[in-house]
Amino acid sequence: QSALTQPASVSGSPGQSITIACTGTSSDVGGYNYVSWYQQHPGKAPKLMIFDVDNRPSGVSNRFSGSKSGNTASLTISGLQAEDEADYYCSSYGSGTTAVFGGGTKVTVL
Amino acid sequence: QVQLQESGPGLVKPSETLSLTCTVSGYSISSGYYWGWIRQPPGKGLEWIGTIYRSGTTYYNPSLKSRVTISLDTSKNQFSLKLSSVTATDTAVYYCARGFFYEKIDSWGQGTLVTVSS
Repeated sequence: QSALTQPASVSGSPGQSITIACTGTSSDVGGYNYVSWYQQHPGKAPKLMIFDVDNRPSGVSNRFSGSKSGNTASLTISGLQAEDEADYYCSSYGSGTTAVFGGGTKVTVL
Repeated sequence: QVQLQESGPGLVKPSETLSLTCTVSGYSISSGYYWGWIRQPPGKGLEWIGTIYRSGTTYYNPSLKSRVTISLDTSKNQFSLKLSSVTATDTAVYYCARGFFYEKIDSWGQGTLVTVSS
């Protein structure tokens, strides 16, 4: 079971859109529509932002959206704001009843 | 609203067993959901440790399976983690959480730092 692959960092200016990719295999991301995304600010517990590939929990801004194509899932943040600066992690259900996380992406708002 | 709180020693000696408990309030763990543990070494990413269902069925990360035991105590509305033969690489913030696999992790504990050192 290998970690999902995410870029180490992504940056953007306020108001811009950024996309974070999360690449797995047919045994996890590509095989199931159970991809979630979490936001983590320093010293805090992660917060659910997207579940089941493209669903937003209540209370999460509609500036956050998710998608998937093949073995790669993506998180897009539109209208980037200073408060979006954080670490983001993807997670997927995996075959054999396992769970796997991505290595995390640091989002910087320039 | 469900709340989770980790408790246990913050310092464990190498080769010993790390033991943590997660106390759940606002929801009965015997009513449903998968419950489990995730850890985060300092400055690094999240790692799934293992998960337990209300039936007591457990699921473990293959890389940790030989050292991990997760159990339930429904009378206290708690679940626990034991990780044996720890080394410095097990130093991490340990989170308990609700919702794994086809569920979504919608509730997290605040996390507890466990340091492995003599």
